[in-house]
Amino acid sequence: EIVLTQSPGTLSLSPGERATLSCRASQSVSSFYLAWYQQKPGQAPRLLIYGASSRATGIPDRFSGSGSGTDFTLTISRLEPEDFAVYYCQQYGNSPLITFGQGTRLDIK
Amino acid sequence: QVQLRESGPGLVLPSQTLSLTCTVSGGSISSGGYFWSWIRQHPGKGLEWIGYIYYSGSASYNPSLKSRLTISVDTSKNQFSLKLTSVTAADTAVYFCAAGGIRGLMFRFDPWGQGTLVTVSS
Repeated sequence: EIVLTQSPGTLSLSPGERATLSCRASQSVSSFYLAWYQQKPGQAPRLLIYGASSRATGIPDRFSGSGSGTDFTLTISRLEPEDFAVYYCQQYGNSPLITFGQGTRLDIK
Repeated sequence: QVQLRESGPGLVLPSQTLSLTCTVSGGSISSGGYFWSWIRQHPGKGLEWIGYIYYSGSASYNPSLKSRLTISVDTSKNQFSLKLTSVTAADTAVYFCAAGGIRGLMFRFDPWGQGTLVTVSS
């Protein structure tokens, strides 16, 4: 069974800083099948990145995704106040078919 | 654009069946490319994929829930549904429906419903 491990668990940064979030898979994941989501309190997750590096419609270009195989990264180049939220990676294809990472909480420092 | 909305009881008794429906608007549930999906989030925790169904009725389930789970689709109502039997307090969660699928070779869940809290308690 594939496990996605996100690090760090919590990241405390200030607006304007750069955020780097990691998602490591216990076995290889196709880049086509790796996505990132943002979730704010009381809201549904919102798609940010799919195919490891393609931005979803309406997502600002300060969000970027990269990686392949077992190591993937979400980068937010310059944090805006609205970016402080929880971020999840998600894979499709490996048993149990679809899994999410445990999340990284991005807090205002 | 496609929108999803969950509906169903917010409180279920232990050992009973949890039933939720997701209504799809702004598009046909019979259009290809979508895996109509259920995902849940335990209070204060991460996301857990429950399962999905294609408009044809073909479904895939999370093995951890498979023995208690049925997902069905009603194309005439543009809805899909979740039934989870023999619930316990561990099934208390926010339940989301979402449009999953492989489009342009890449998989993602988009869009999502707003989510509905289901509490299992006597």
